[in-house]
Amino acid sequence: GAVVSQHPSWVICKSGTSVKIECRSLDFQATTMFWYRQFPKQSLMLMATSNEGSKATYEQGVEKDKFLINHASLTLSTLTVTSAHPEDSSFYICSATISATGNSPLHFGNGTRLTVT
Amino acid sequence: GESVGLHLPTLSVQEGDNSIINCAYSNSASDYFIWYKQESGKGPQFIIDIRSNMDKRQGQRVTVLLNKTVKHLSLQIAATQPGDSAVYFCAENTLPNAGGTSYGKLTFGQGTILTVHP
Repeated sequence: GAVVSQHPSWVICKSGTSVKIECRSLDFQATTMFWYRQFPKQSLMLMATSNEGSKATYEQGVEKDKFLINHASLTLSTLTVTSAHPEDSSFYICSATISATGNSPLHFGNGTRLTVT
Repeated sequence: GESVGLHLPTLSVQEGDNSIINCAYSNSASDYFIWYKQESGKGPQFIIDIRSNMDKRQGQRVTVLLNKTVKHLSLQIAATQPGDSAVYFCAENTLPNAGGTSYGKLTFGQGTILTVHP
């Protein structure tokens, strides 16, 4: 089955520093990857849509200069949280799909727990 | 849009009972729906999906029902086991706008915490 790997699984960083999270599709080429954020006991909130070779599309209210997304290949997308602050502490989850039509299941990584101190 | 809630609904059942988890979706134009299971500290795991041209689909121990008239989706788990304890999310796939470069986004419902007691 389709496997999406996310790294690191958890990270602790100091306020003001930047953190990069990687999302890889291990056995398929992902035309599109999505980045979600999830706060405790809440649902997943879509942050941005990442298409290989083009700029990411950000959801309303998500700062594109703070959450930098790069999708340089069909198997790798990265999310960089720049100048992290404690309120950025959250569970970040990526997902990927083969289909360009939207009608196939998204496969999710196991998330990255970010704690900003 | 995204669903955000401070208190997830909960469902407690005894091992062996059947569980029914409900979800109301918002976009009448959505044509693809998915149920995910999320265990603590992990990403969502695909359970079952259904397209809008169907009203029922069965998997192993799970059944999804879709009522487009009232925009309601349900997940039925037969003979629930302690390993089924998790948060369950429904998700709807929103079709892209005409001429858009990105395809449909997945919008998640609020989620339901299922606890199965031995």
